[in-house]
Amino acid sequence: AQSVTQPDIHITVSEGASLELRCNYSYGATPYLFWYVQSPGQGLQLLLKYFSGDTLVQGIKGFEAEFKRSQSSFNLRKPSVHWSDAAEYFCAIPLVGNTPLVFGKGTRLSVIA
Amino acid sequence: DAGVTQSPTHLIKTRGQQVTLRCSPKSGHDTVSWYQQALGQGPQFIFQYYEEEERQRGNFPDRFSGHQFPNYSSELNVNALLLGDSALYLCASSLKVGSRNPYEQYFGPGTRLTVT
Repeated sequence: AQSVTQPDIHITVSEGASLELRCNYSYGATPYLFWYVQSPGQGLQLLLKYFSGDTLVQGIKGFEAEFKRSQSSFNLRKPSVHWSDAAEYFCAIPLVGNTPLVFGKGTRLSVIA
Repeated sequence: DAGVTQSPTHLIKTRGQQVTLRCSPKSGHDTVSWYQQALGQGPQFIFQYYEEEERQRGNFPDRFSGHQFPNYSSELNVNALLLGDSALYLCASSLKVGSRNPYEQYFGPGTRLTVT
């Protein structure tokens, strides 16, 4: 069965520093891949998605992610973190042959001055 | 363009009671999925509706049921509430399978259910 692993439960970075959040997946074929962000007490907002083509995808709020088939990874990056980026980040893939999403457990990002 | 809306925002119920949560999809979307998000966890898929029928179901007991109306809005019903049902319930809307982009889901703000 497909699965998503986010190895880092909690990451703390300084404002202005770069960020990389890790996501590994298990899937039978080339997957569709998503990153969502959730601010405290809020729903999920789509940051970016990969369907096919260019393996480096750009999203909202200055985020990007790179699909690496050989490593089964889809890591999220941002060159300079802002305090407003503090939130929970989820990586997700669809169920095989279906559209509902399977989510990782999330990575909580804290930003310090 | 209205996004996905959910009501109520918060709800407190007692064990054994029943609850109904409501969702209106994003304009133009015809498919609604429900997810349960326990504290500190990622969302887990409950079920998906389109054309007023349940099309997919996750690993949830029959106490969880739903409905979709002709205007594509949806309800999630949970009977015989347990303490473990306390969670954030998220509704997501999308376009149905076979459309151009069925995998992209848009989420509402959620309903926080507390069972005491």
